[in-house]
Amino acid sequence: QVQLVESGGGVVQPGGSLRLSCAASGFTFSSYGMHWVRQAPGKGLEWVAFIRYDGSNKYYADSVKGRFTISRDNSKNTLYLQMNSLRAEDTAVYYCAKDVGIYGDYGVLDYWGQGTLVTVSS
Amino acid sequence: DIQMTQSPSSLSASVGDRVTITCRASQSISSYLNWYQQKPGKAPKLLISTASSLQSGVPSRFSGSGSGTDFTLTISSLQPEDFATYCCQQSYSNPPTFGQGTRLEMK
Repeated sequence: QVQLVESGGGVVQPGGSLRLSCAASGFTFSSYGMHWVRQAPGKGLEWVAFIRYDGSNKYYADSVKGRFTISRDNSKNTLYLQMNSLRAEDTAVYYCAKDVGIYGDYGVLDYWGQGTLVTVSS
Repeated sequence: DIQMTQSPSSLSASVGDRVTITCRASQSISSYLNWYQQKPGKAPKLLISTASSLQSGVPSRFSGSGSGTDFTLTISSLQPEDFATYCCQQSYSNPPTFGQGTRLEMK
């Protein structure tokens, strides 16, 4: 069965950096686009970034563009999110999620990880 | 960006009730509308894609309809495990955007 397991969250000071990882199993990771979505405490879901199955295209929310970088290592079945210049408003649970479309970007997220909490605070 | 607005924001209902949640897009999104269920402390779960396609394993009491700008999620007969937050999301254009969620509570 599909499993997505995030790690790397924690407490970081404003202006700091953090790298999240998402270990995937149960499907052919190298054939699917992947997303990061976040949820601030008590708030709704906010899409953060997407990377195509082969890493050739990446898209970002305006709120993180220039600060966050999505990447993947298909040999390790792992998705990453490098977060720099962190702000208090980046505090959230970060989820990785699989796109439903093989070799495509359908924007439909059919499997999600359990999330990892990032807290930006001094 | 396309704005997604759900109504109501919260809803109280009883087991066995029929419940309808509405989602409106700020522009036409054809049928590129998805519904997710989220329980406290858990990851969202995809229920319905492209407005009306029920995901495998999702009970048939869930249904979706609509196209263009107006969509609905209906639960025909509420079960205890259905009390959760429901969220719509458009996949018509980048960036994908979510509604603010509808919290379904037990009356």
